[in-house]
Amino acid sequence: GAGVSQTPSNKVTEKGKYVELRCDPISGHTALYWYRQSLGQGPEFLIYFQGTGAADDSGLPNDRFFAVRPEGSVSTLKIQRTERGDSAVYLCASSPLGRTDTQYFGPGTRLTVL
Amino acid sequence: AQKVTQAQTEISVVEKEDVTLDCVYETRDTTYYLFWYKQPPSGELVFLIRRNSFDEQNEISGRYSWNFQKSTSSFNFTITASQVVDSAVYFCALISGNEKLTFGTGTRLTIIP
Repeated sequence: GAGVSQTPSNKVTEKGKYVELRCDPISGHTALYWYRQSLGQGPEFLIYFQGTGAADDSGLPNDRFFAVRPEGSVSTLKIQRTERGDSAVYLCASSPLGRTDTQYFGPGTRLTVL
Repeated sequence: AQKVTQAQTEISVVEKEDVTLDCVYETRDTTYYLFWYKQPPSGELVFLIRRNSFDEQNEISGRYSWNFQKSTSSFNFTITASQVVDSAVYFCALISGNEKLTFGTGTRLTIIP
């Protein structure tokens, strides 16, 4: 079956602009996660959805970052007033049920803020 | 709090050699789950294995094997008869309690033909 998909694969924007990154999880997976990966580092947790609600958003770095999953499937990560330090690969993952299940990752969106 | 340490930043071996990637973890919880993921140059994280804290049996899958030792808080990964396609960054990860999935910093493995 289809894996996790993310769009766009690459996004270049200017400092101060707003961006949206989309994640389409594996069909039937109730849990969805966003991570950020900087060069040479492991993925860092941002937010976890169980169904439509954010069960844990403790990893969001500040209030410029926001994510939604209105119908319990597709999720959008939104970044306002982008800064150069936001440049990274943003990874989305999904799992069948909860946090301790295996998470399956998408290919990521490489965000570059100029 | 939980932590994963992958002390080997980079490893290079000649094709067909065996190689072991080390992973040491820290957690206060008795119930936890350990994972290994592979990240090839394409960038996508590929799931390799999930192991819970109550199952200390070693696992073998083809050329891959994993050695889980609670006494030393280690979950090491061995590739036997390495191949060029094994070149990638490998991540060990841990989840326990109410924590989120925590990754190590990864080990970049290069297989020299």
